[in-house]
Amino acid sequence: DAGVTQSPTHLIKTRGQHVTLRCSPISGHKSVSWYQQVLGQGPQFIFQYYEKEERGRGNFPDRFSARQFPNYSSELNVNALLLGDSALYLCASSFSGKDTEAFFGQGTRLTVV
Amino acid sequence: DAKTTQPNSMESNEEEPVHLPCNHSTISGTDYIHWYRQLPSQGPEYVIHGLTSNVNNRMASLAIAEDRKSSTLILHRATLRDAAVYYCILSQLLNTDKLIFGTGTRLQVFP
Repeated sequence: DAGVTQSPTHLIKTRGQHVTLRCSPISGHKSVSWYQQVLGQGPQFIFQYYEKEERGRGNFPDRFSARQFPNYSSELNVNALLLGDSALYLCASSFSGKDTEAFFGQGTRLTVV
Repeated sequence: DAKTTQPNSMESNEEEPVHLPCNHSTISGTDYIHWYRQLPSQGPEYVIHGLTSNVNNRMASLAIAEDRKSSTLILHRATLRDAAVYYCILSQLLNTDKLIFGTGTRLQVFP
């Protein structure tokens, strides 16, 4: 069975641009969460979606947005990119969000120059 | 969310047991203790979780203090593949949709 898949794996963007990151959860999983991991730190929670509804939001500016599609895949959008947005963006899925474990993808490495 | 405190780094030799401590003195009665680890260039992966009793699975054991203010992740025989950052996380009930990670413990394993 395929695990959580994220695309692209790496990308480079210029300050001020917009980026869309994609996540496909494990088949049957309805909950998707997004995290940002800056070098040397632990992942920080950004958003959680369940059944296409936003269930939680972390302390991130409005430049960050996300959505979940009927097939439970998800997109994370970041507008007006800043140098500080350079990070590893991780997606995690679970069946309901109230499970024993979350499954993480390998992440998208975003570099803003 | 209650906070956890872990040492920044630990070292071990291959095939020796490793005890990774975590302090969580403000834990509430409904908080579960989760451990995840992150290998280099990968996303975090679940290791184990518990509430009050000690837990064992194929990867590790979790020893929880009687007052629940601390816990220890035990790797019975460290291998080179266990070199990773280990995160101790508390969550209310079973709450996998929002995990609050700290900085974790970086475990180095020497051959």
